[in-house]
Amino acid sequence: SYELTQPPSVSVSPGQTASITCYGDKLGDKHASWYQQKPGQSPVLVIYQHTKRPSGIPERFSGSKSGNTATLTISGTQAMDEADYYCQAWDSSTALFGGGTKLTVL
Amino acid sequence: EVQLVESGGGLVQPGRSLRLSCAASGFTFDDYAMHWVRQAPGKGLEWVSGISWNSGYIGYGDSVKGRFTISRDNAKNSLYLQMNGLRAEDTAFYYCAKATGYSSGWYDYWGQGTLVTVSS
Repeated sequence: SYELTQPPSVSVSPGQTASITCYGDKLGDKHASWYQQKPGQSPVLVIYQHTKRPSGIPERFSGSKSGNTATLTISGTQAMDEADYYCQAWDSSTALFGGGTKLTVL
Repeated sequence: EVQLVESGGGLVQPGRSLRLSCAASGFTFDDYAMHWVRQAPGKGLEWVSGISWNSGYIGYGDSVKGRFTISRDNAKNSLYLQMNGLRAEDTAFYYCAKATGYSSGWYDYWGQGTLVTVSS
């Protein structure tokens, strides 16, 4: 079955750049979205169609794609960005989520 | 302002049924596909089911196929999930999510979730 693979955890120092990857063997042919989820809260869309940012999401959040890997980049990471991040794509009318990456801002 | 408010969760015994509801407001409900996504405590997100704007397309995740039924009432701006034959592994927060497409697009709004606990 199709899977999206994310690193379980990423650590970053405040003010530095955090990168979270999402790999799927057909992801290059699809659009990926990214969701941020803070403890006790619902997910929030931060990136869609690989690179687009919804209104209200800070400019420090950006997305990119290279081959079958999508990447969420947070520039100038702030303590408030500490959260779980999930990538998502579609395969045969099924929504798939990556396993999630816990971003720790040390 | 878009609002999605889930209800109907609770404690239920294995094998029993439960019906979740999602009340939508702040957008033209019958223009959009809607989905259910769940999250077991401490685990990741899992797609449960989706339904197109006119109920013409419906899909289910493998883990719930044959046991869960999604439906919507556009006149009431409401989404439903009928869950039968519940198992312990169905224990999760269930989120209602507005989608920009049925089998494409992204989830631009999520509800606050309702907790379903399956236990004897």
